[in-house]
Amino acid sequence: EDKVVQSPLSLVVHEGDTVTLNCSYEVTNFRSLLWYKQEKKAPTFLFMLTSSGIEKKSGRLSSILDKKELFSILNITATQTGDSAIYLCAVRIQGAQKLVFGQGTRLTINP
Amino acid sequence: DAGVTQSPTHLIKTRGQQVTLRCSPKSGHDTVSWYQQALGQGPQFIFQYYEEEERQRGNFPDRFSGHQFPNYSSELNVNALLLGDSALYLCASSLVGGPLHFGNGTRLTVT
Repeated sequence: EDKVVQSPLSLVVHEGDTVTLNCSYEVTNFRSLLWYKQEKKAPTFLFMLTSSGIEKKSGRLSSILDKKELFSILNITATQTGDSAIYLCAVRIQGAQKLVFGQGTRLTINP
Repeated sequence: DAGVTQSPTHLIKTRGQQVTLRCSPKSGHDTVSWYQQALGQGPQFIFQYYEEEERQRGNFPDRFSGHQFPNYSSELNVNALLLGDSALYLCASSLVGGPLHFGNGTRLTVT
């Protein structure tokens, strides 16, 4: 059965800290890995990763994929209170449009 | 450019009743997927529609059914509601191979 596991499940840090969120997966026929941020309702798209070792970056957020070790990390530097959210990792299988999601990491940034 | 829109935003139903949720995809997108997100969990894939046909289905019973219209909008129907159907129902649209864009969801409460 395809599985995506995120860690930690919950994280509380102070504003300005750097955080690393982890996502490991066990799926058949991997196609891509996606990160989403969910603040209230709609998950909003952050990154889509398909190749190992190539960092994707957007402002203070960055992500990288390791297809050999079957994991990805999401880094957030100089965190702000607006970064507080649930971060979801999802994997797309070859030949399928569906995403298999992890449980999410609830990130809380305290001022 | 309107994103994915869902209606209604909230819904309260009684066990045994039937419900219909609606979704309009992001402009230009032709594929619609539905996900169920229970509290504290990542979204779970229900099914996907493309060219008015169900293309893929997750592990959900036949009580869950759907439809896609010629204008790409979609409906999710759930019959014989159970307490366990209480969740946030997310609709997502995409182009083939692209990232999913989610709507704000419909919060369904079954009492």
